[in-house]
Order: sequence, then structure tokens, then C-alpha cells
Amino acid sequence: DVVMSQSPLSLPVTLGQPASISCRSSQSLVYTDGNTYLNWFQQRPGQSPRRLIYRVSNRDSGVPDRFSGSGSGTDFTLNISRVEAEDVGVYYCMQGTHWPPLTFGGGTKLEIK
Amino acid sequence: EVQLVESGGDLVQPGGSLRLSCAASGFPFSSYSMNWVRQAPGRGLEWVSYISSSSRTIYYADSVKGRFTISRDNARNSLYLQVNSLRAEDTAVYYCVRVPRFSAAGAADYWGRGTLITVSS
Repeated sequence: DVVMSQSPLSLPVTLGQPASISCRSSQSLVYTDGNTYLNWFQQRPGQSPRRLIYRVSNRDSGVPDRFSGSGSGTDFTLNISRVEAEDVGVYYCMQGTHWPPLTFGGGTKLEIK
Repeated sequence: EVQLVESGGDLVQPGGSLRLSCAASGFPFSSYSMNWVRQAPGRGLEWVSYISSSSRTIYYADSVKGRFTISRDNARNSLYLQVNSLRAEDTAVYYCVRVPRFSAAGAADYWGRGTLITVSS
């Protein structure tokens, strides 16, 4: 199974400052169709996960443009340009290229400093 | 608006069984594949099972193979998960998760609010 590794585990950020979360996969996530099936999810406290980004860099409808995804192969990053209070929660990356199973990173907890 | 509403979670003894349900609305359920994903208290996300739109293709995580059974009723817009031989490590919130259409590989977009299974004597 593909192992997804996220860092950092915890990310204290000052309001209005940028934040960056790293996700690394144990194998390249480029699929046979040329796409890379790497998603990012946000889980706010007490809520279910919400998809933010699909196929590395495509923002879902309604997701603020301060969120952006980048990367290729085995290294991926979720960036938040200016953190707001509503961004507090845990962020997960997930790969769908080598499935089953779908596999998730361990999560990064973003909190306000 | 896409809605996924899980039910059926409960406190159950080790070795017990439950049937989880997920009621889908706001999209043509019969055209979408579905997943179950679980989250143990205070832990990360673990994929459990997948079923294609026609039920022709089904997959399970190794941790639940032989104990859990996924199924669906497209006429009722419902997804199910029969969970048998429950263990303490199955304690988790179980989420019903939609697979976006036309995804060539594994994928997930909308999640329900989840239903909690607690396995304890």
C-alpha cells in the first residue's frame, strides 16, 4: 500500500500569516492516464472532512482562493496564503492513484498562535 | 445540494453485529460509486470499502475483509455496511463518502456527518 506522510504534525500560525503543509507518498502518484490523484481535505473541529483540492491543484467550488495545492510525483504541498480563524482544524492528504486502498496522510493540526 | 446521512451506529459488544445505512439525496445516486471511510476517536482517516454504481465492483480494506459487507439499493438511494464480528479496534465514526463521476482512479468528494460504532463490553 502507498504510505502518505504529512508534516508537520502540528502547525501554529498567526492570523494573517501564510501556512504550508507537506505531503509525501511512498510511490509516484502519476496514474496511467497522466493525472495525479492527490486530494486535500479539511476537517474542522466536530465536523466531517471537506474536500478542498483534487488532482493536486484544483480547488473545489466554494473553497477560498487563499488555499492552493502544488507538487508532483511524490511531493505535494497545501498552502494557505493568509490564515483566518475559520481555517483551524486538521488537514489530510489522500491518494487515489494506487488503489484499493485509498490511503490518507496522518493529518496536520492547524491552530492559531 | 448533496446530502449523505448515515445511521445505525451504536454501542455493541465484541463479536456483535450492526448494519449501517447511508441515505443519499441531491444527486443521481445510481450513477455514483461510493465508499465507507472510518475514523477512530482522536485518530486519522481509514478507508474501509468501495462499491461501484452497479454493485459490480466491490473492494474492502484488509482489516475488515471477511467481516464487513458493503451493498446498495439504488431504488432507495441508500448505501449499507453490514459489520459483523466486531472488535474493539472497529470503534470509530463511519462516514459515507461519494466518489466523483468519471474519476479514472480512486477518489472521494462529499462526506456525510458519520455514525459512531463503539465496541465495548
